[in-house]
Amino acid sequence: GQNIDQPTEMTATEGAIVQINCTYQTSGFNGLFWYQQHAGEAPTFLSYNVLDGLEEKGRFSSFLSRSKGYSYLLLKELQMKDSASYLCAVLDSNYQLIWGAGTKLIIKP
Amino acid sequence: GAVVSQHPSWVICKSGTSVKIECRSLDFQATTMFWYRQFPKQSLMLMATSNEGSKATYEQGVEKDKFLINHASLTLSTLTVTSAHPEDSSFYICSAQRGGRETDTQYFGPGTRLTVL
Repeated sequence: GQNIDQPTEMTATEGAIVQINCTYQTSGFNGLFWYQQHAGEAPTFLSYNVLDGLEEKGRFSSFLSRSKGYSYLLLKELQMKDSASYLCAVLDSNYQLIWGAGTKLIIKP
Repeated sequence: GAVVSQHPSWVICKSGTSVKIECRSLDFQATTMFWYRQFPKQSLMLMATSNEGSKATYEQGVEKDKFLINHASLTLSTLTVTSAHPEDSSFYICSAQRGGRETDTQYFGPGTRLTVL
């Protein structure tokens, strides 16, 4: 079956750095997406990785290792507004998006 | 760019009535739109994939006669929940894919919170 694993919840301190991991086992791979979802709102796009390596976009970076079936989202200089759920999603061989359950990130002052 | 709107933002209806939710891509044309449902503290569940001018493709377990999808134009898709029941209460979110490739990013609408009494 297809499976995406990410931690259920993480806590970090304002101003710090946090890394949210995502491992996947899917039938084929056509890319991995990270989305941010604040409570009661729809997801917003953060990043898309299809090649191995690190993609940096401001305070957020996303890393992919296809051979390990692994990705992480790195958030630097955390702000209170970063408190949200972070969803990892993989596009499988049928171009269907397989969603992880999301990681709830709690930022403390 | 890549703004998707949904209407209404929230709706409360009586059991047995039908509710229509609109999803519009405001600044781009979307060949493909997706409809999701999300229950509290759970991840997104894909209900159906909607392609302009053709019938929607429903996920296993989703009743096509209950959740009617119409993708009449490249900027509008509608989801009608027919004969709604309390168990249909959920957060319904649409997304639109900008570009014609399957790898193109999905951009999400703000969601519609449906409460069926």
